[in-house]
Amino acid sequence: DVQMTQSPSSLSASVGDRVNITCRASQDISNALNWYQHKPGTAPKVLIYGASTLQSGVPSRFSGSGSGTEFTLTISSLQREDFASYYCQQSYSVPRDTFGQGTKLEI
Amino acid sequence: QVQLVQSGAEVKKPGASVKVSCKASGYRFTRNDITWVRQAPGQGLEWIGWISAFNGNTNYAQRLQGRVTMTTDTSTNTAYMEVRNLRSDDTAVYYCARRFSYYDSRGFYLYYLDFWGQGTLVTVSS
Repeated sequence: DVQMTQSPSSLSASVGDRVNITCRASQDISNALNWYQHKPGTAPKVLIYGASTLQSGVPSRFSGSGSGTEFTLTISSLQREDFASYYCQQSYSVPRDTFGQGTKLEI
Repeated sequence: QVQLVQSGAEVKKPGASVKVSCKASGYRFTRNDITWVRQAPGQGLEWIGWISAFNGNTNYAQRLQGRVTMTTDTSTNTAYMEVRNLRSDDTAVYYCARRFSYYDSRGFYLYYLDFWGQGTLVTVSS
């Protein structure tokens, strides 16, 4: 199975900061990479799919880049509501999906 | 609008079984697969498996293979996930999610989880 490694596992930042979260795949997964935001007590929400396509309704301060084995989620200017956990997910290794271990973004 | 509504919280003893339901509305149920994901306390998201609502094909994570069964009832647009022989480390919030699949500009088959249920807390405790 494809293994996904996210870094960092936690990150402290301030409102207005630019933040990058990295996800590395154990093998080439082309652009089959999605990013989700998860806040406590709520369901996860897709932010980016296909490595770089912004899901409808998601603010443009979120962006995704990368292909192959290395991917990045960027938040250009952190807002208070962005403090949450973020997960990457590969959708290449059909039929088994894999999530990264998550990044907790804290103030 | 698309909605996935899950059944309520459950408390079970070790060795028991639990069956969580996920009722879909707002789209043609058989057009999308349903994925199940869980989050144990203090842990990240763990993929459990998926089921095709079209033909019932399933695929499960190796860690739960043999203890989990996913089914659908197309007459009620409901997906079910049963976990048997529960252990304390099965304590988690369980989510169902709709899998949206598409072909990108190069013809590659891709998918992501676009709508999620609200989650069901399953507590396993003696």
